[in-house]
This record gives sequence, structure tokens and C-alpha cells, in this order.
Amino acid sequence: DAGITQSPRHKVTETGTPVTLRCHQTENHRYMYWYRQDPGHGLRLIHYSYGVKDTDKGEVSDGYSVSRSKTEDFLLTLESATSSQTSVYFCATTTGQNTEAFFGQGTRLTVV
Amino acid sequence: QQQVKQSPQSLIVQKGGISIINCAYENTAFDYFPWYQQFPGKGPALLIAIRPDVSEKKEGRFTISFNKSAKQFSLHIMDSQPGDSATYFCAASRGNYQLIWGAGTKLIIKP
Repeated sequence: DAGITQSPRHKVTETGTPVTLRCHQTENHRYMYWYRQDPGHGLRLIHYSYGVKDTDKGEVSDGYSVSRSKTEDFLLTLESATSSQTSVYFCATTTGQNTEAFFGQGTRLTVV
Repeated sequence: QQQVKQSPQSLIVQKGGISIINCAYENTAFDYFPWYQQFPGKGPALLIAIRPDVSEKKEGRFTISFNKSAKQFSLHIMDSQPGDSATYFCAASRGNYQLIWGAGTKLIIKP
């Protein structure tokens, strides 16, 4: 899996609590992404990063924030989890635009 | 404009048959069209990709056909095998970092 590790792999949390998901890569890829995967929607981009401390919003960024203080780590935070954020979250990396995306194993998040 | 429409949602093919999955897009600025394969419990993995300057690309049993005028592209899996059973996603991007994904096709190959 191209050295991409997501943690935790599974999490159940209560509505209104903050949640942080971690993505760690050992490939030194410049670009990192957070996606959510829901049935019938494919993957939707939440946020992405094009370098340390450089991030931008994707198509479904509301309710999510990200941080990237080191090349290898990209954190996704749900400030106040809602049931609509129950999903499988994937981290991905690329070396550039229009290049192969390498994905982690995913984090299954359930908000109750 | 940003959507990529994928069909069918699910597909059952006999072993040895040809599996065909189709995608259509609206945004003519898209210039990169990858297909990803995903097994249960795993992240997607790149299968094959094409750019609009070619009409077909083949890698082993997998072929992408691209029709620029119709704004459609398709994945053909020849001699389909049970190990090809997975969910397949088409995607498109326009030279930036944002891949727009189809909804996915669950492919089952019957032995």
C-alpha cells in the first residue's frame, strides 16, 4: 500500500465530539488527500495538501479541517462529529497532478 | 459539469467473458481518466489510465476505450476471472489535484 498508514482503522464516536484521523506516509510524496467513501457516491475529496502547511478545500469540506506540519503526516479533524459524517475515510498520496494515487487502508468511522 | 456518471451499478459476468463498464462526463476540460480497482476492506488501486489524445489503451486483459466526441470512456476486461471480482471506479480530472469519481461498479465473476 505504498507505505500509507491510517489510524485508527475503526472508530465509534458520539455526536458532537471532536475526532482526529491520522494519515502517515513513508513515500515522501508531496501531495496528500483525504476522501470519504459512501455507497452510491464513489469517493469525494474533503481536503488536500500540496506541501507542508499548504492545504485547500475539496468538494465536501464543510465540518472538516486538516493540518500538515510534516511531509509524512496529514491529519483530518471533525470538529463536532455528526451522523452524516459516518463514512469510510481514505487517505491518498500522489507525486504530482494527474499521477497515480496511492491509498491507505481506510478508517471506518461511525457517529452515533 | 463536474460529474462523472458510471454504469452499471453492478455487473455479473461468467468466467471467461468480457466485462464492460461505462463512464460519461460533461466537462470537456477533463484531461486525465483513470480506472481504479477496489477489493473489500482495501483502498482503491490504479488499474489503468488514459489521456484524451489516444482512443484506446491496453494493459494485459484490461483496455480503456475513449470517445472524446461522445465524452465517454469505458473499461473492458477480457477473459474475466474470479479474481477480477471487485468494485471498479472511473474518475476524471482537469490538470489539478481534484479527481472526480464515478459512483462505482460492483463486478462479480461467476466461476
